[in-house]
Amino acid sequence: NAGVTQTPKFQVLKTGQSMTLQCAQDMNHNSMYWYRQDPGMGLRLIYYSASEGTTDKGEVPNGYNVSRLNKREFSLRLESAAPSQTSVYFCASSWTLYNSPLHFGNGTRLTVT
Amino acid sequence: GNSVTQMEGPVTLSEEAFLTINCTYTATGYPSLFWYVQYPGEGLQLLLKATKADDKGSNKGFEATYRKETTSFHLEKGSVQVSDSAVYFCALNYTGTASKLTFGTGTRLQVTL
Repeated sequence: NAGVTQTPKFQVLKTGQSMTLQCAQDMNHNSMYWYRQDPGMGLRLIYYSASEGTTDKGEVPNGYNVSRLNKREFSLRLESAAPSQTSVYFCASSWTLYNSPLHFGNGTRLTVT
Repeated sequence: GNSVTQMEGPVTLSEEAFLTINCTYTATGYPSLFWYVQYPGEGLQLLLKATKADDKGSNKGFEATYRKETTSFHLEKGSVQVSDSAVYFCALNYTGTASKLTFGTGTRLQVTL
């Protein structure tokens, strides 16, 4: 049972470079999410997708874009990385948007120099 | 808006000690409340939840009771083990809106022999 799989696990970027974080889930969940985790700030929602074909902004969407490629996959793109985007990024999924527990991937540690 | 406040860590306990991690919340209406746990190098996992006042969530020896009168959801365990060392996050989800969990900042627990 793979659950939620994120790639890569680690990444170092220079300021201005772009990259895409990949996420896939094999639980047939409808909803998917991208969070960032920063020390002392808990988890903050970047974007989410209620169902295939829809995406919405979360709490901190600036500097990011997402694509819900199909029901399984939800990618996060940084078009022009900035040092403020240094963080640990988590993808998560759940059955629905209403009151269902989230299942998290193991995270991507991103450093922007 | 909704918010969750957790006690600051780290919390350091000897094995078999009693654990309490405080969590209070601010929300309108009747949110659902959750505790998630993050072991080193991993994503968050749901530990327990409670969906209405006076509900008690429990799992793996951990318990938390939804107290509406004190807006609290404190996590307790009677006898901690070294394997319980992790970061614990309290969270709420206001049912009826998008499932955008609001997380606390996390409390690190270190259990020593």
